[in-house]
Amino acid sequence: KAGVTQTPRYLIKTRGQQVTLSCSPISGHRSVSWYQQTPGQGLQFLFEYFSETQRNKGNFPGRFSGRQFSNSRSEMNVSTLELGDSALYLCASSKQVATNEKLFFGSGTQLSVL
Amino acid sequence: SQKIEQNSEALNIQEGKTATLTCNYTNYSPAYLQWYRQDPGRGPVFLLLIRENEKEKRKERLKVTFDTTLKQSLFHITASQPADSATYLCALNAGNNRKLIWGLGTSLAVNP
Repeated sequence: KAGVTQTPRYLIKTRGQQVTLSCSPISGHRSVSWYQQTPGQGLQFLFEYFSETQRNKGNFPGRFSGRQFSNSRSEMNVSTLELGDSALYLCASSKQVATNEKLFFGSGTQLSVL
Repeated sequence: SQKIEQNSEALNIQEGKTATLTCNYTNYSPAYLQWYRQDPGRGPVFLLLIRENEKEKRKERLKVTFDTTLKQSLFHITASQPADSATYLCALNAGNNRKLIWGLGTSLAVNP
């Protein structure tokens, strides 16, 4: 069974640009959660999607958005990039809602904003 | 304020010894707590989940305890090996919306 796949693996952008990250969950998993990880802040929850609906949201500005498709694949978009958005972005999938189950993470997208 | 804390300093131990990592939390009443392992440049990998009504959980060389009175979880790796070297994260569900809250992790180095 294939694991969680995130693309691209690395990304370099400049301030003001926008970026779209992609996540394909494990087959049969309906929940996808997104996290931002930085050395100082650790894993910070962005949002969770379940059956195409945003179920939960973290404390991030509206520049961060996401969506989930009918095949459970998810995308995350960050508009008007800032230097502070440089981080490892991780997505995680689970069969049901994330807070009741163990999470399966992808390898992440390392975003660098110059 | 609500927070979850793990040993901030890296833990260095000798191969074969038992590693013990700590996760403390305040102002939460989590229904369960999870432990993950993370290697550099990779996503976390699930290890163990322990529920509030469980005192202890084991899986091979791993053992987790959960003390809701002390608001603490201990994670033990017995007969440690260099391959156990990684960062270990604890996470608990918290708040009315039950979001997962994560500690910053503890770096473990097992020396041969």
